Amino acid sequence: AQTVTQSQPEMSVQEAETVTLSCTYDTSENNYYLFWYKQPPSRQMILVIRQEAYKQQNATENRFSVNFQKAAKSFSLKISDSQLGDTAMYFCAFSTGTASKLTFGTGTRLQVTL
Amino acid sequence: GAGVSQSPSNKVTEKGKDVELRCDPISGHTALYWYRQSLGQGLEFLIYFQGNSAPDKSGLPSDRFSAERTGGSVSTLTIQRTQQEDSAVYLCASSLDKGRGYNSPLHFGNGTRLTVT
Repeated sequence: AQTVTQSQPEMSVQEAETVTLSCTYDTSENNYYLFWYKQPPSRQMILVIRQEAYKQQNATENRFSVNFQKAAKSFSLKISDSQLGDTAMYFCAFSTGTASKLTFGTGTRLQVTL
Repeated sequence: GAGVSQSPSNKVTEKGKDVELRCDPISGHTALYWYRQSLGQGLEFLIYFQGNSAPDKSGLPSDRFSAERTGGSVSTLTIQRTQQEDSAVYLCASSLDKGRGYNSPLHFGNGTRLTVT
């Protein structure tokens, strides 16, 4: 079975600073996909960034980037120039090439402060 | 509509009552998922629909839980004889395909917060 672990229940960062959220996963599959979702107080899960396991290049979306370490099964999210609107729960998620569903971690609550 | 729509937004029910939660996916999305999010927890997979059929029901926690999808569109999650441990946010998501891939990610609704008293 696949598992996703987020070891940081809560994080805090000052506006304009950089923060890194950790995520590790466990799988025996070789073909899989990794995602970071953001959940603001509205409860809607919003896709932030995604990575295919076979791609060595780390994905980047504006201020959001990942550090994908396949051998270590690590998939951390870096948020640069943090903004107040980044305050939310962040979930790491995993899906194999054959699975029909995403497996989520327990989330990290990020608070961006002035 | 522009996004996944769920109703009601909030539902308070007494223990033992039945409840129905509705999900209206994005038009054209063939895959539909139900997840449950308990307080302080991640998302727990419940069931997956491809069209009107449910090839994966492995996450339904008990036979009190059931779901159906009609016309390849709207889905209803039914919880019979609700218990206090059923209190959670129930999230629905849809995607063009199975959603596992890079090009067909999940689009989520705002969820239904169910409180069983």
